[in-house]
Amino acid sequence: AQSVTQLDSQVPVFEEAPVELRCNYSSSVSVYLFWYVQYPNQGLQLLLKYLSGSTLVKGINGFEAEFNKSQTSFHLRKPSVHISDTAEYFCAVSEQGGSEKLVFGKGTKLTVNP
Amino acid sequence: EAGVAQSPRYKIIEKRQSVAFWCNPISGHATLYWYQQILGQGPKLLIQFQNNGVVDDSQLPKDRFSAERLKGVDSTLKIQPAKLEDSAVYLCASSPGTSGKETQYFGPGTRLLVL
Repeated sequence: AQSVTQLDSQVPVFEEAPVELRCNYSSSVSVYLFWYVQYPNQGLQLLLKYLSGSTLVKGINGFEAEFNKSQTSFHLRKPSVHISDTAEYFCAVSEQGGSEKLVFGKGTKLTVNP
Repeated sequence: EAGVAQSPRYKIIEKRQSVAFWCNPISGHATLYWYQQILGQGPKLLIQFQNNGVVDDSQLPKDRFSAERLKGVDSTLKIQPAKLEDSAVYLCASSPGTSGKETQYFGPGTRLLVL
């Protein structure tokens, strides 16, 4: 069965600084990979997803992620963060061809300080 | 387009009481999911419906949790009797189909506190 590890539970950064949120997954088959964001008191919304093709995926709000199959990673990056990016970020994986259910990591709380 | 609706938003109950949550997915979405999100953890799938049939309920504690989607549209999740460890946010999501590549659209969640 697949699993996801988000290496940092909390990431504090200053406004306009770059940020990287790390995600590693484990699976014996090919996977689809997702990043979701959860703002306070709201449901999750999709930031971006990797299905196939180019390993660099661009999403909403200036975020991007790179799929690295050899390192089984899907790290999320943004070159310059804003106060409004403060939220919890979840990496998720589903296995191709099996049940294809979505398995989430524990989340990374990103706090952007002025 | 209206999003996924959930009610109530908050619920406080005593242990051993029962509670029910309601979800109305995005119109036309065949697949509906219920997740449990315990504080400090990511969402965990409890049950997945396609139309009114169950696709996956392997992680649903069936001795106390039940869910239905009778007409293939809205759904209810019930807990009876509740335990302290059921305190969590219950998220409902929907998607057009069942493929693992599809985007899931989440509601705002119901925050349950069991005392």
